[in-house]
Amino acid sequence: GEDVEQSLFLSVREGDSSVINCTYTDSSSTYLYWYKQEPGAGLQLLTYIFSNMDMKQDQRLTVLLNKKDKHLSLRIADTQTGDSAIYFCAVPNSGNTPLVFGKGTRLSVIA
Amino acid sequence: DAGVIQSPRHEVTEMGQEVTLRCKPISGHDYLFWYRQTMMRGLELLIYFNNNVPIDDSGMPEDRFSAKMPNASFSTLKIQPSEPRDSAVYFCASSSTGFATEAFFGQGTRLTVV
Repeated sequence: GEDVEQSLFLSVREGDSSVINCTYTDSSSTYLYWYKQEPGAGLQLLTYIFSNMDMKQDQRLTVLLNKKDKHLSLRIADTQTGDSAIYFCAVPNSGNTPLVFGKGTRLSVIA
Repeated sequence: DAGVIQSPRHEVTEMGQEVTLRCKPISGHDYLFWYRQTMMRGLELLIYFNNNVPIDDSGMPEDRFSAKMPNASFSTLKIQPSEPRDSAVYFCASSSTGFATEAFFGQGTRLTVV
């Protein structure tokens, strides 16, 4: 089945860019997702990318997809303290089975 | 819609007691998922239902765990007997037909077994 890997922690200074990386093993999915979990809350969809795209930009967020290397990344420009959260990469398993989530990357923003 | 609703938000129980977690999915969603989140293991899929029928329960850790979905608007996850290692945050999520669509998560139930 699908295996999704992310680094567990990332610390950046306020105003810098954050890059969160994700690798996956096998996906024929149409969409790949980034979810955000704020303290004490559930996961919420942050952004997604269609599999035939290489890049998607949405305000301060940029998603890059390298299908050849099975690598997905999320870049947050001008990172703010409010961006401190856990970010999950999620990829549907092959054969239309539920989303497989990475363990999550805890982003800490230092003022 | 109010979103996915889970209850209780927090549960503290003694080892050996039965624990029941509840979930109300978003109306019209035909998939329901139960996840468990811990620091060590991250987010794990325990079981999921389609049209109230359990499809895959391979993520359920042991026979002490059971889940039911008696109708389209309600599901329970039961742990009997509970153990300290079951302490975690349990999330319910729902989505509409087709897995490659957004999953909507509840706020979670933080379970502490002492």
